[in-house]
Amino acid sequence: GAVVSQHPSRVICKSGTSVKIECRSLDFQATTMFWYRQFPKQSLMLMATSNEGSKATYEQGVEKDKFLINHASLTLSTLTVTSAHPEDSSFYICSARADRALNNSPLHFGNGTRLTVT
Amino acid sequence: GENVEQHPSTLSVQEGDSAVIKCTYSDSASNYFPWYKQELGKGPQLIIDIRSNVGEKKDQRIAVTLNKTAKHFSLHITETQPEDSAVYFCAASKNNQGGKLIFGQGTELSVKP
Repeated sequence: GAVVSQHPSRVICKSGTSVKIECRSLDFQATTMFWYRQFPKQSLMLMATSNEGSKATYEQGVEKDKFLINHASLTLSTLTVTSAHPEDSSFYICSARADRALNNSPLHFGNGTRLTVT
Repeated sequence: GENVEQHPSTLSVQEGDSAVIKCTYSDSASNYFPWYKQELGKGPQLIIDIRSNVGEKKDQRIAVTLNKTAKHFSLHITETQPEDSAVYFCAASKNNQGGKLIFGQGTELSVKP
């Protein structure tokens, strides 16, 4: 089945530093990937839609200069949290759907990245 | 934009009993409704989905029903087992926005042995 790999699974960084999270589709090509953020005991909130070869589309209230998204290939999207602060500590999850699939077909999720900013 | 409401937020059942989780959506253009199970510290895993041209779908102990007129859909788990304990999320999407999913608030299901 379709697999989405996310790395790292956990990261601890100091306030003011930047952290990069990778999301890979392992056995399919994905022109579009989605980045979600989840706080403890809360739902998944869509942050942005990552588009291969073009700029990401950010949801309202998400700072594009703080959460940099790069989708350089059909199997890799990266999310960089710049100048991280403790309030950025959260669970970040990426997802993707195979290009050959319809929009109303399953979206596969990575196992998330637990970011802790100290 | 789309808004998905999910109830209840927590649900506790005895092993062997059934569990029902309900969701409503606001955008009548939504046409795809998946359900995900999320275990602690992991990403969501798809358990079942339904498209708007179908009213009901079943996969072993899991079933989903959709009422397009009322704009609500439900997850039914029969013969619950302790390993069904997890957080369950409903979601909705539509074709013209690249298929992005909007999630409900989640239901923490606890199955007591």
